[in-house]
Amino acid sequence: AQSVAQPEDQVNVAEGNPLTVKCTYSVSGNPYLFWYVQYPNRGLQFLLKYITGDNLVKGSYGFEAEFNKSQTSFHLKKPSALVSDSALYFCAVWYSSASKIIFGSGTRLSIRP
Amino acid sequence: EAGVAQSPRYKIIEKRQSVAFWCNPISGHATLYWYQQILGQGPKLLIQFQNNGVVDDSQLPKDRFSAERLKGVDSTLKIQPAKLEDSAVYLCASSSSGRSSYNEQFFGPGTRLTVL
Repeated sequence: AQSVAQPEDQVNVAEGNPLTVKCTYSVSGNPYLFWYVQYPNRGLQFLLKYITGDNLVKGSYGFEAEFNKSQTSFHLKKPSALVSDSALYFCAVWYSSASKIIFGSGTRLSIRP
Repeated sequence: EAGVAQSPRYKIIEKRQSVAFWCNPISGHATLYWYQQILGQGPKLLIQFQNNGVVDDSQLPKDRFSAERLKGVDSTLKIQPAKLEDSAVYLCASSSSGRSSYNEQFFGPGTRLTVL
């Protein structure tokens, strides 16, 4: 069955430090992978996606994500965190075999000054 | 460009009542999605439209939920009758993609429904 896991409910990082938000997915065909961010009282916003090609994908606001097929992971990263990065982050996977998109449960990122 | 519009932003009803939510997607976007986001969970796709046709409604509780997109533009999601477990944020999203969902989706602000 198709599934997406975000193993950490919350990630706490000091401003200026690198951050990683983890995402793993179940293997089923060739999935397309996405990261979205949700700021308080606002809708989800697209950050980046992996469809094919280079395993390192760059997105909005300085974020990037690395697709690792052997580990079935798509972790979100940023070299230097900002307080304004504090938000709820969702990983999503579209499974072509089922024509279905599945979102993870979300990870709350908190950046302390 | 204008974003995805949703109304109302908040709704409080009693169980067994009916409620309807409205969504107007970004102009020109053929694909429209309705999601249910329960507190502490990720969005769950309820229904996906391609123009005015349904692509996927496998997770829509059809005994109480219905949705339409008659003219292929705006859409309405209805719950009748509501249950306590329907309390959630209902998100609408649109994209310019076809039947496949690998283009990014643009989300509205959501409607927060509380069922008492």
